[in-house]
Amino acid sequence: ETGVTQTPRHLVMGMTNKKSLKCEQHLGHNAMYWYKQSAKKPLELMFVYSLEERVENNSVPSRFSPECPNSSHLFLHLHTLQPEDSALYLCASSQDFILAGGNEQYFGPGTRLTVT
Amino acid sequence: DQQVKQNSPSLSVQEGRISILNCDYTNSMFDYFLWYKKYPAEGPTFLISISSIKDKNEDGRFTVFLNKSAKHLSLHIVPSQPGDSAVYFCAASASYHNTDKLIFGTGTRLQVFP
Repeated sequence: ETGVTQTPRHLVMGMTNKKSLKCEQHLGHNAMYWYKQSAKKPLELMFVYSLEERVENNSVPSRFSPECPNSSHLFLHLHTLQPEDSALYLCASSQDFILAGGNEQYFGPGTRLTVT
Repeated sequence: DQQVKQNSPSLSVQEGRISILNCDYTNSMFDYFLWYKKYPAEGPTFLISISSIKDKNEDGRFTVFLNKSAKHLSLHIVPSQPGDSAVYFCAASASYHNTDKLIFGTGTRLQVFP
């Protein structure tokens, strides 16, 4: 148990659906991340929030929309996805995005997303 | 319970010397191992990987060694450069789960000094 939870653990959605992924961290961290993990590909950073402000957006299509209402919660809103978006979406948190340098970045278990 | 362990939180090496970062794992079903490198204020970036059918993989200055019997892998950087100063994550995957979820270690901070 890393202190980072993600729901749902599995999600199947059609291309016209709208859904949201939720991430919550119980570690008192100030930075949160969304990663995408596709089959046999390196982990891809999608978004970074530090102190509830987005600090990085790695050229992610607009059909993915993040939201960070407070330092403990992070959402990823999904709409009109494509089958190639099927992947494992990982959330992570760290004490601080800049100072921690990722030395203690805690990942959630992920949401396995299938787009049909 | 951590399935992937990086027991050294930090390592300091002189420029030009070899850096050796170690990683141990407990799950014998892991068959794919990766190293990620992370600079401050950036996300982790993929560095090098190795499949369990190999015991060595080399890419330029970076070499990863895998000892399956000991459930141990290591990353060698030769020669080390100041630009290599970063946090290095070891990660493992067990494809038998039909998942590509990576189990990460907590990282080792490498500092290369002149």
